[in-house]
Amino acid sequence: EVQLVESGGGLVQPGRSLKLSCAASGFTFSNYGMAWVRQAPTKGLEWVATISYDGSSTYYRDSVKGRFTISRDNAKSTLYLQMDSLRSEDTATYYCARANYGDWGQGVMVTVSS
Amino acid sequence: DIVMTQGVLPNPVPSGESASITCRSSKSLVYKDGKTYLNWFLQRPGQSPQLLTYWMSTRASGVSDRFSGSGSGTYFTLKISRVRAEDAGVYYCQQVREYPNTFGAGTKLELK
Repeated sequence: EVQLVESGGGLVQPGRSLKLSCAASGFTFSNYGMAWVRQAPTKGLEWVATISYDGSSTYYRDSVKGRFTISRDNAKSTLYLQMDSLRSEDTATYYCARANYGDWGQGVMVTVSS
Repeated sequence: DIVMTQGVLPNPVPSGESASITCRSSKSLVYKDGKTYLNWFLQRPGQSPQLLTYWMSTRASGVSDRFSGSGSGTYFTLKISRVRAEDAGVYYCQQVREYPNTFGAGTKLELK
């Protein structure tokens, strides 16, 4: 059974950093691209970033470029999202997903507030 | 960026009836391989999104055949036959033709 478990969320002040992790199991992690998708409270889904299976290619939405970094450790079957210079508009539940979007984690909440 | 525009359902939908959700893209989602890169998701209250169909009309593993996707390069429909209580939630279309992978705003399905 595929499992994706996010962690690392919480309350953080504007301008600070946070690093999310997504532990994967039940499939060969190194064979799949992975993505982060977020959902602000009561809002719709918003794609954040995608990384290729080997980490050689990354893609970001414009509003997070230069502030967020997606990465992966295939030896640990773990996906990461380093979030720097956080803004209030980054407040959301963050989901990790396989890049084909067939499997999603349960999500982790990030709140950016002073 | 490709803009995805979803239609509204005349809620609530009587149980057992059919419902069709529409989605329009600002650019053709047909790639050079001939496939149409359009996904449909259902997000039930308090849950993570669930993939229903990909490549516009291919059902994801384990998804009921009551869900069927169709369309052209820029106009898409998700039809739900014999609507049941478990189908309630918000439906999203998403294009994966190019980055950024944009979503529609969502269409809420409520049952009577």
